[in-house]
Amino acid sequence: DAGVIQSPRHEVTEMGQEVTLRCKPISGHDYLFWYRQTMMRGLELLIYFNNNVPIDDSGMPEDRFSAKMPNASFSTLKIQPSEPRDSAVYFCASSYSLQAETQYFGPGTRLLVL
Amino acid sequence: EDQVTQSPEALRLQEGESSSLNCSYTVSGLRGLFWYRQDPGKGPEFLFTLYSAGEEKEKERLKATLTKKESFLHITAPKPEDSATYLCAVQPYTSGTYKYIFGTGTRLKVLA
Repeated sequence: DAGVIQSPRHEVTEMGQEVTLRCKPISGHDYLFWYRQTMMRGLELLIYFNNNVPIDDSGMPEDRFSAKMPNASFSTLKIQPSEPRDSAVYFCASSYSLQAETQYFGPGTRLLVL
Repeated sequence: EDQVTQSPEALRLQEGESSSLNCSYTVSGLRGLFWYRQDPGKGPEFLFTLYSAGEEKEKERLKATLTKKESFLHITAPKPEDSATYLCAVQPYTSGTYKYIFGTGTRLKVLA
């Protein structure tokens, strides 16, 4: 398996622009997680899905952030409008079990908002 | 509030100098505790899962242990290739969610 795939790997945009991050989970994994990582706050869970349905979005910082999972093999995280404080590395991860289980992380998208 | 604290923030070791990393946690109930390794520019990579106090797991030079309040990642005779950031995460028992809470990590540098 190719592992979790994220695109783009790097994104530079200007404040106010819309940003869309993409993720393809590992085939057969029922859970998909979006995280944000910064030096100050570490790795923070934004939202996770189970069988394409959002389960916990309590970590989404504000209404500018939205996430969708239209099918089992694709998810997007959208920021509109983007702000400089959104600059971070965004990771997608997937797992296959309902129990406490390992997650497999993608390589991340490094976002810089100018 | 569920919380995870890792210490130290950074650690420099000479090759062969054993040490331990700490992960203290406060949760209402623990489903599992996880250790990950993260190399620069990459996503975290799974190392261990621990479920109950007293449990231990080993992998090469690494050994993870768990008590009711904390976990340790022991590194025996480290090598430069062990240099990375080590992340601890907990999955608390919370109704309706299986969220993970990560610590901010320990950056380990092993000098040759």
